[in-house]
Amino acid sequence: SQWGEENLQALSIQEGEDVTMNCSYKTYTTVVHWYRQDSGRGPALIILIRSNEREKRSGRLRATLDTSSQSSSLSITAAQCEDTAVYFCATSGANTGKLTFGHGTILRVHP
Amino acid sequence: EAAVTQSPRNKVAVTGGKVTLSCNQTNNHNNMYWYRQDTGHGLRLIHYSYGAGSTEKGDIPDGYKASRPSQENFSLILELATPSQTSVYFCASGDAPGGSQNTLYFGAGTRLSVL
Repeated sequence: SQWGEENLQALSIQEGEDVTMNCSYKTYTTVVHWYRQDSGRGPALIILIRSNEREKRSGRLRATLDTSSQSSSLSITAAQCEDTAVYFCATSGANTGKLTFGHGTILRVHP
Repeated sequence: EAAVTQSPRNKVAVTGGKVTLSCNQTNNHNNMYWYRQDTGHGLRLIHYSYGAGSTEKGDIPDGYKASRPSQENFSLILELATPSQTSVYFCASGDAPGGSQNTLYFGAGTRLSVL
């Protein structure tokens, strides 16, 4: 899990495997953002899930959100080498638009 | 063409010196943000702005000032740089005036080393 006192997580998998990254957040939110950061670049939004969706899909990505446990997950199906990146979850203040990011998960996909 | 451009990309500064990091966006977004990224801490918000002339303190503002002279430009200023401010700094613009669905568009980052 990305938040709380946990350190930065690292996952290493083989190409073609499925992988799930988890995120727990501290404050109430109705939206969880997932960002991806490639080496040497800034983060970029890959999927956003709202509390009334519970599950959201985009290509090989699947995000879930459980507001009762304040947790979200991001799954990648049949991971490819190009999925190697750092993945962050983030929540936003309802009125400020400020994003608070988790510590991130380093994903390495090996050929 | 990058919509959020940061300069410089790399900077080496001396302790006690003044450092200015610049950010320009062509997204015409009202909101702009400065984050720093350190291993084990993810991205932490330093300052943000809702528009020209506005600056707000983020979660870790101590030792930093911000300036938003125009819609396009947002600067982060370290008046007296310290080694603890060695980090990678990211600027971002946001596409909503507020609310939980604000999407951020990040620049490529500035790597700052304070010796």
